[in-house]
Amino acid sequence: KQEVTQIPAALSVPEGENLVLNCSFTDSAIYNLQWFRQDPGKGLTSLLLIQSSQREQTSGRLNASLDKSSGRSTLYIAASQPGDSATYLCAVKTGANNLFFGTGTRLTVIP
Amino acid sequence: EAGVTQSPTHLIKTRGQQATLRCSPISGHTSVYWYQQALGLGLQFLLWYDEGEERNRGNFPPRFSGRQFPNYSSELNVNALELEDSALYLCASSPYRGGDTQYFGPGTRLTVL
Repeated sequence: KQEVTQIPAALSVPEGENLVLNCSFTDSAIYNLQWFRQDPGKGLTSLLLIQSSQREQTSGRLNASLDKSSGRSTLYIAASQPGDSATYLCAVKTGANNLFFGTGTRLTVIP
Repeated sequence: EAGVTQSPTHLIKTRGQQATLRCSPISGHTSVYWYQQALGLGLQFLLWYDEGEERNRGNFPPRFSGRQFPNYSSELNVNALELEDSALYLCASSPYRGGDTQYFGPGTRLTVL
């Protein structure tokens, strides 16, 4: 069974810092990996999707990488802002069209 | 374009009762997914419906069931509610079976007393 782990569980940084969130998964047979953002008590907003054949995707200040063979992905956030404070979730999609989610990293950006 | 909508926003029930949660996908999307986000357990896949059929089911007991209507909206039913069913239930839709990106609704917060 696919297991997805995110480290760290929580992270607090001062505004302006660059930061990296980590995601690892146990089964490399994935179709894609997606990073989401979740604000407290709210639904999920998709940030970046990386197909299994891709190595990275970029959107604005966000860059996500994927190393399928080692079962790892990172989300890099440049020049963090207080508005980036949220929980970040990674999810891998399997052949059964399921999304397996990690437990998330709660990010706090201090002004 | 309207996003995925869910109703009600909050639902309070007592143990043993039944809960019904509703989801309307983005217009043109045929697949609907249900997830449970319980405190401390993370997001877990519940059910996937496409073209009115149940396509896949997560590791949940049969008292979690649902259906998809001809207009692609969906209903999640939870029978014989237990305290541990308290969670945020998220619905997502995608434009076709196996569509890459799932678009999530705001969720229904179910509290079982």
